[in-house]
Amino acid sequence: GQNIDQPTEMTATEGAIVQINCTYQTSGFNGLFWYQQHAGEAPTFLSYNVLDGLEEKGRFSSFLSRSKGYSYLLLKELQMKDSASYLCVAVGESNDYKLSFGAGTTVTVRA
Amino acid sequence: KAGVTQTPRYLIKTRGQQVTLSCSPISGHRSVSWYQQTPGQGLQFLFEYFSETQRNKGNFPGRFSGRQFSNSRSEMNVSTLELGDSALYLCASSQRQGALNTEAFFGQGTRLTVV
Repeated sequence: GQNIDQPTEMTATEGAIVQINCTYQTSGFNGLFWYQQHAGEAPTFLSYNVLDGLEEKGRFSSFLSRSKGYSYLLLKELQMKDSASYLCVAVGESNDYKLSFGAGTTVTVRA
Repeated sequence: KAGVTQTPRYLIKTRGQQVTLSCSPISGHRSVSWYQQTPGQGLQFLFEYFSETQRNKGNFPGRFSGRQFSNSRSEMNVSTLELGDSALYLCASSQRQGALNTEAFFGQGTRLTVV
């Protein structure tokens, strides 16, 4: 079967760092995405990891360990606009790209 | 360039009716994927169309169907609506097949309420 686990909620203060962990179990593996979704809006692409290691994009970084079935999204220098839900999405079998979505982690940034 | 356009934005239907939702992808994108998002179940994959053919399918009943036209626009149809079908329906377009295998761009969604 396929399973994604990520925390439901996280709270942090402006300027701080928050790390959102995601563990996954999929039949085969073809990459892991992180998406950001503000309330009432469509998800927007943040990152895609298919190889082990850290990918940095400005204030956001994403890490993947395929052997551990583990990823995290690191948000640095938090801003109020970063308050949103962050979705972890694992892509499974290589032939038909089965998708496993996490329920999303709601991050609240406080002043 | 224009983004992904979904119509209508909001829809109210009664149980037993059917509904058709439309998604126009970004120009040049050939893949359109559909998703259902509910507070209880989160985001769930419905199906993906590429070059007018359904390539991938999630675990939804046959009441949920779709199609894609030669201009890559896609429609999703839900027949015999149930209260549990109330959700935000999102479509995403990308250049290549594989749903989220490449960077996908989401539309604003259609909020369907079944009463």
